[in-house]
Amino acid sequence: QLQLQESGPGLVKPSETLSLTCTVTGGSISSSGYYWGWIRQPPGKGLEWIGSIYYSESTYYNPSLKSRVTISVDTSKNQFSLRLSSVTAADTAVYYCARHISNVVTSPPLYWGQGTLVTVSS
Amino acid sequence: QSALTQEASVSGTVGQKVTLSCTGNSNNIGSYAVGWYQQISHGAPKTVMFGNSLPSGIPDRFSGSKSGTTASLTISGLQPEDEADYYCSTWDYSLSVQVFGGGTKLTVL
Repeated sequence: QLQLQESGPGLVKPSETLSLTCTVTGGSISSSGYYWGWIRQPPGKGLEWIGSIYYSESTYYNPSLKSRVTISVDTSKNQFSLRLSSVTAADTAVYYCARHISNVVTSPPLYWGQGTLVTVSS
Repeated sequence: QSALTQEASVSGTVGQKVTLSCTGNSNNIGSYAVGWYQQISHGAPKTVMFGNSLPSGIPDRFSGSKSGTTASLTISGLQPEDEADYYCSTWDYSLSVQVFGGGTKLTVL
């Protein structure tokens, strides 16, 4: 059974960089042909796609966040990571990692992590 | 404002059939598979449908369909545990993003 688990600081100061890691168990990031992504949900609001990565070959980012986002894969640890720079209070949200249904970025997410709340505050 | 439009709220009684809708355009729903996600009490989303396929472990009272630029999630035989927020999503090639609907709050009376 594939499982995803987010980890990282729950509190980040304004203007700093948010860094989260998603650890995948029950399957290998490198051997499976899927896109892996990040999605967030501000408190009381809906879901927003941040971006997705296929191995370390191909990444797609939400244009509204593209200038601040980097998603990378560490196959040796079976993890993928999110970095979001220059954060503001508007970046406060629950961050979810997810695996897409297939090896095309246009496919919907299938598996989700449990989510981690990141608060941006001084 | 979300690229995909969902009802804000829908309600039904136990055993009833309810249908949730997700309306987009030819750039998104009209061109790509739609995912549906159940979020219970602000917990993690769970995928309950993609296209018209049921993920493993999801009861077969859930079904999905699409007509033109509107996708639908139907729950036949509504159960108390189905009470949740439901979101839809798909790819939008003009925006180059995975777009989500604003969500529908399903209440089981």
